[in-house]
Amino acid sequence: GQNIDQPTEMTATEGAIVQINCTYQTSGFNGLFWYQQHAGEAPTFLSYNVLDGLEEKGRFSSFLSRSKGYSYLLLKELQMKDSASYLCAVTNTGFQKLVFGTGTRLLVSP
Amino acid sequence: DAGITQSPRHKVTETGTPVTLRCHQTENHRYMYWYRQDPGHGLRLIHYSYGVKDTDKGEVSDGYSVSRSKTEDFLLTLESATSSQTSVYFCAISERPNGELFFGEGSRLTVL
Repeated sequence: GQNIDQPTEMTATEGAIVQINCTYQTSGFNGLFWYQQHAGEAPTFLSYNVLDGLEEKGRFSSFLSRSKGYSYLLLKELQMKDSASYLCAVTNTGFQKLVFGTGTRLLVSP
Repeated sequence: DAGITQSPRHKVTETGTPVTLRCHQTENHRYMYWYRQDPGHGLRLIHYSYGVKDTDKGEVSDGYSVSRSKTEDFLLTLESATSSQTSVYFCAISERPNGELFFGEGSRLTVL
């Protein structure tokens, strides 16, 4: 089976940096996705990591350590519009589907 | 944005009635998925399709069936809706297995 863990909720201040962690246990790991989902809306793609290391994309970066079963999403220069849920999802070799964690709800305050 | 639409967007129905949700894409993507999203559970895969007439079960497939007679349409059917199937249903598409998903806007189903 697969197990994906993320914190349920986090709070941060506008302009700050926040790190959202995701740990996973799965066999045949292939890659890890991060999605953003605003309340009442559909999830949208943020990042994909398949190799160890940091992938930077503007204010958002995602890190993966395959040996530790660990990833994080780093959000810099937080804005109010970053208040959303952040979903971690893993894929396995041979499977044709993503498995999602329960998501981390981030609240950014002024 | 990926061309993917779901219908209906909102539906209220009674226990025991059949319900069909439709997902329509204009991207010609091979892979299509139905997820449900519930508080505390996140997104859970119901069924997916890897081609016309090729479908398989996800982790929460009991009580649901699917059909894909054309590349662009993926139908999710609840043969006899129950209150436990009250949820938000998302359709998603991808070009390749384990690829980036593009989601529809969601269909909110309430079973009374």
